[in-house]
Amino acid sequence: VRLFDSGGDLVQPGGSLTLSCAASGFTFHSFAMSWVRQAPGKGLEWVSTISGSTGTTYYADSVKGRFTISRGNTKNTLYLQMNSLRAEDTAIYYCAKALGVAAIATRIDYWGQGTLVTVSS
Amino acid sequence: NFMLTQPHSVSESPGKTVTISCTRSSGSIASNYVQWYQQRPGSAPTTVIYEDNRRPSGVPDRFSGSIDSSSNSASLTISGLKTEDEADYFCQSYESSNVVFGGGTKLSVL
Repeated sequence: VRLFDSGGDLVQPGGSLTLSCAASGFTFHSFAMSWVRQAPGKGLEWVSTISGSTGTTYYADSVKGRFTISRGNTKNTLYLQMNSLRAEDTAIYYCAKALGVAAIATRIDYWGQGTLVTVSS
Repeated sequence: NFMLTQPHSVSESPGKTVTISCTRSSGSIASNYVQWYQQRPGSAPTTVIYEDNRRPSGVPDRFSGSIDSSSNSASLTISGLKTEDEADYFCQSYESSNVVFGGGTKLSVL
């Protein structure tokens, strides 16, 4: 299993950014996928999860209405569209593969290497 | 929503055994699986225990997980400590679609 995160950048408050995660080594559409972030010097914070096949999505309250998770099962790629970015969104964003296909009961078995998003003027 | 509380730090000597706790604030610890993730400095997290006590392939059997309903907590035990085990450890569980991480425990092996 390999997960390669990309797309992190420096962006101004109020701006937008899209992260990608290229997956390989497993049957992508058979597993839910998540984004987890880590602010500098802080712990892990769940951001969002999408189911494997139905596209059901869930979000943390801190990003609901601003972030959109999606997946391209033919491209084996996970995305995170981030709008209305705030300074408190500054973090390393990790994509993560879940053990099951459903977007509930999230249990992670593999992690990407992370991509840094900095929100600052 | 519930919280998972971990000790901020623990330390132990090489070769010894250490246990890191993870206490659930509300709801039963046994209701939903607990996972444990290791994060070495400057690296991404890796999974060392999933579904309470299962080890991914490649994780040595020095790592074990358990849950205790009486204290409503989960534990990660690392035996035969090695300096390479020095890292942050995070527990994680869920309730339906909500995913919760503990605050993390810094393990020092000295």
